[in-house]
Amino acid sequence: GQQVMQIPQYQHVQEGEDFTTYCNSSTTLSNIQWYKQRPGGHPVFLIQLVKSGEVKKQKRLTFQFGEAKKNSSLHITATQTTDVGTYFCAVGGGADGLTFGKGTHLIIQP
Amino acid sequence: EAEVAQSPRYKITEKSQAVAFWCDPISGHATLYWYRQILGQGPELLVQFQDESVVDDSQLPKDRFSAERLKGVDSTLKIQPAELGDSAMYLCASSVQVNTEAFFGQGTRLTVV
Repeated sequence: GQQVMQIPQYQHVQEGEDFTTYCNSSTTLSNIQWYKQRPGGHPVFLIQLVKSGEVKKQKRLTFQFGEAKKNSSLHITATQTTDVGTYFCAVGGGADGLTFGKGTHLIIQP
Repeated sequence: EAEVAQSPRYKITEKSQAVAFWCDPISGHATLYWYRQILGQGPELLVQFQDESVVDDSQLPKDRFSAERLKGVDSTLKIQPAELGDSAMYLCASSVQVNTEAFFGQGTRLTVV
């Protein structure tokens, strides 16, 4: 199936700082999904991006899909303690199966 | 609110024994996924069904793992024989169709001793 590289693996921020995680593929993606997993919980869907160059916002979260549809990013403005968790991108879902990246663990220091 | 149901929530089994997990997806969801997640890592896709057909099982260790979704509704994942390295969280998810939002169950935490 399709593979994605997600960076960084861990990110420590002070509360109120911004956070960004990146997802990169060597092949063109038909779409990309983002999920959040709280400690002890299960992945929860955040958003799906389909169009080249697409930008979507959810309150303090901004999601981008690259022009070439090979990369994506999730940016959180002014992090809060409720943002703690692991953020995953996921690709495929058709004949290749829905494949998750390794995730970025967001640790927030108050 | 509709949820993906999984049972059991926790399972402890001895190595070389057989173990089975059950998943009931959200009603009407055609796509069903089984994932294995080791603590601190991302979910690893084991098998994906579209209705009763397997779409992708390339990462399923077929010498010991099997999965079925006979009527295209609920699904069972079996491991026989279990090995120590199989200890992990086994997550089931479902979606209306491929390339749509996946909803996850609470998972089954397997410990092999």
